[in-house]
Amino acid sequence: EIVLTQSPGTLSLSPGERATLSCRASQSVSNNYLAWYQQKPGQAPRLLIYGASSRATAIPDRFSGSGSGTDFTLTISRPEPEDFAVYYCQQYGSSPLTFGGGTKVEIK
Amino acid sequence: EVQLLESGGGLVQPGGSLRLSCVASGFTFSDYAMRWVRQTPGKGLEWVSSITNTPSGFKTYYPDSVKGRFTISRDNSKNTVYLQMNSLRGEDTAVYYCAKGTLGLPIFEYWGQGTLVTVSS
Repeated sequence: EIVLTQSPGTLSLSPGERATLSCRASQSVSNNYLAWYQQKPGQAPRLLIYGASSRATAIPDRFSGSGSGTDFTLTISRPEPEDFAVYYCQQYGSSPLTFGGGTKVEIK
Repeated sequence: EVQLLESGGGLVQPGGSLRLSCVASGFTFSDYAMRWVRQTPGKGLEWVSSITNTPSGFKTYYPDSVKGRFTISRDNSKNTVYLQMNSLRGEDTAVYYCAKGTLGLPIFEYWGQGTLVTVSS
């Protein structure tokens, strides 16, 4: 099973300050099959990025994903107030599908 | 508009059973694999099961944590996917979501609102 470790656990930012979230896999993720989700309180997660760097439908271009192998990054270039939420990574390159523990992005 | 509506959650005693349902609309249900994911405060998000859309025979997949206890099934005539949960344990307490993928990939583009399952005596 691939274990995904996200860091930091909490990221405190001012609106507009660039956010960099990390997701590290315990072994290489096949085909860079890595996705990112955003979750706000009381809501289901929302798909942001798949294939490590492809934005899902209607996702603003301030969200970008990068990385390969075992190290992946989600960047929010200029966070808007609605971007303060919890972010999860998920690998789908091998079974079982697994998720990271999440990074909370909060307003400083 | 894609919609997924789960139901069937509730309070159940350890060792008991529960069946969750998820009614889908807004897309051609029979064309897509469907999945269940659960979320707990302690363990976060966990994939629970998948069922393919292959007309020759649906294939199902589970992680070890639920294999042998949970069964996913689907009824394309009712646009519904089910999760039969048996031998429930305290650690199965969670919000259960059904989810639809995209591009034929096991990612979760659309989610339901979730249904809470509480296993407690």
